[in-house]
Amino acid sequence: AQSVTQLGSHVSVSEGALVLLRCNYSSSVPPYLFWYVQYPNQGLQLLLKYTSAATLVKGINGFEAEFKKSETSFHLTKPSAHMSDAAEYFCAVSDPGANSKLTFGKGITLSVRP
Amino acid sequence: GAVVSQHPSWVICKSGTSVKIECRSLDFQATTMFWYRQFPKQSLMLMATSNEGSKATYEQGVEKDKFLINHASLTLSTLTVTSAHPEDSSFYICSVDGDQETQYFGPGTRLLVL
Repeated sequence: AQSVTQLGSHVSVSEGALVLLRCNYSSSVPPYLFWYVQYPNQGLQLLLKYTSAATLVKGINGFEAEFKKSETSFHLTKPSAHMSDAAEYFCAVSDPGANSKLTFGKGITLSVRP
Repeated sequence: GAVVSQHPSWVICKSGTSVKIECRSLDFQATTMFWYRQFPKQSLMLMATSNEGSKATYEQGVEKDKFLINHASLTLSTLTVTSAHPEDSSFYICSVDGDQETQYFGPGTRLLVL
């Protein structure tokens, strides 16, 4: 069985500060990993994904994440936060070849202070 | 990626009535779609996997007779909430199983049952 742990429910940063959202996973097979962002009352938008190619993955809006197998982590970072980054962020894992079913973390709310 | 639409974006209905939600894949032929529900401040809960031309696969604890799923074409899946009750009020989101085993999400449908 797969699982995702996103510690904490809320992260607050100042505009221009580093954003770091943590994600740890558990999987019995080499996983695919995803970060999605959700703005209020909207669906999920794919930020980036790891599918066993480069371990450092660059996504949209200046976000990137690094797959670290030894730490079973896939933390999301952005060097400089924007007010528009305030949203809910979900990390998810899937088992490649197993019908793409996703297991989501509980999500983290990112607030950006002016 | 895939562009996914949902209709309606929000709906209010009376208790005991049925509500149909449509999920369309606008630029990708999707043999598999997924239906989720999301309660406020919570993560997404997978309800069922919708397979084109065959029966949906429901997750444990989801009543298949209450949440009817039809996936009659490669671009359309529908979720019908039958005999809706206030506890069915939620945010329903669909996704398309797109390229590289990546899910692309619709904008969601807010259901309020009075």
